Amino acid sequence: DAKTTQPTSMDCAEGRAANLPCNHSTISGNEYVYWYRQIHSQGPQYIIHGLKNNETNEMASLIITEDRKSSTLILPHATLRDTAVYYCIVSTSGGTSYGKLTFGQGTILTVHP
Amino acid sequence: DTAVSQTPKYLVTQMGNDKSIKCEQNLGHDTMYWYKQDSKKFLKIMFSYNNKELIINETVPNRFSPKSPDKAHLNLHINSLELGDSAVYFCASSRRTYNEQFFGPGTRLTVL
Repeated sequence: DAKTTQPTSMDCAEGRAANLPCNHSTISGNEYVYWYRQIHSQGPQYIIHGLKNNETNEMASLIITEDRKSSTLILPHATLRDTAVYYCIVSTSGGTSYGKLTFGQGTILTVHP
Repeated sequence: DTAVSQTPKYLVTQMGNDKSIKCEQNLGHDTMYWYKQDSKKFLKIMFSYNNKELIINETVPNRFSPKSPDKAHLNLHINSLELGDSAVYFCASSRRTYNEQFFGPGTRLTVL
């Protein structure tokens, strides 16, 4: 699986958009970009994933660059409850990955009042 | 209804003991996982079962033995516990072997 690089930490004001970047310059054509988050003392939570196109769901939007070497997770209106560690993971979907997720250090997002 | 549940939530035990952690999911998924999160917060996969068959077995000491009695349950038995086994253990499940995984609340194991 391709490796990812994320900033160690980021701050965001409550109510503003939080834009979390991720670099994955060695991503292969069949690898997806997945985002998870882990709120303190809880299990990780799936947020969103994408292959090429931008994706949006009730939690967030995922913007993937045309060359697929980087992506941005957008939380449109951050709340205090969005304070968490956010993980960007690159992996194939099923198949030979067998659902194996490789978590890096992630980005600690702190949302301030 | 809890989607992925683990018992116990906390487990404190002495070195050398044998202990088990249980996991159950009511999502109808057929793939289940065990992850370990150490004190430095690194989260690493240990095992994965698909339809009760072991499909991922990372480099884990053979003191750790997963058991899947059915698709909804994946238990983790640990023999001869060591100090380094202290960590939070997370169970997860997914449909087939996809990467949209649902995690349990974790079991914090402390070995004294």
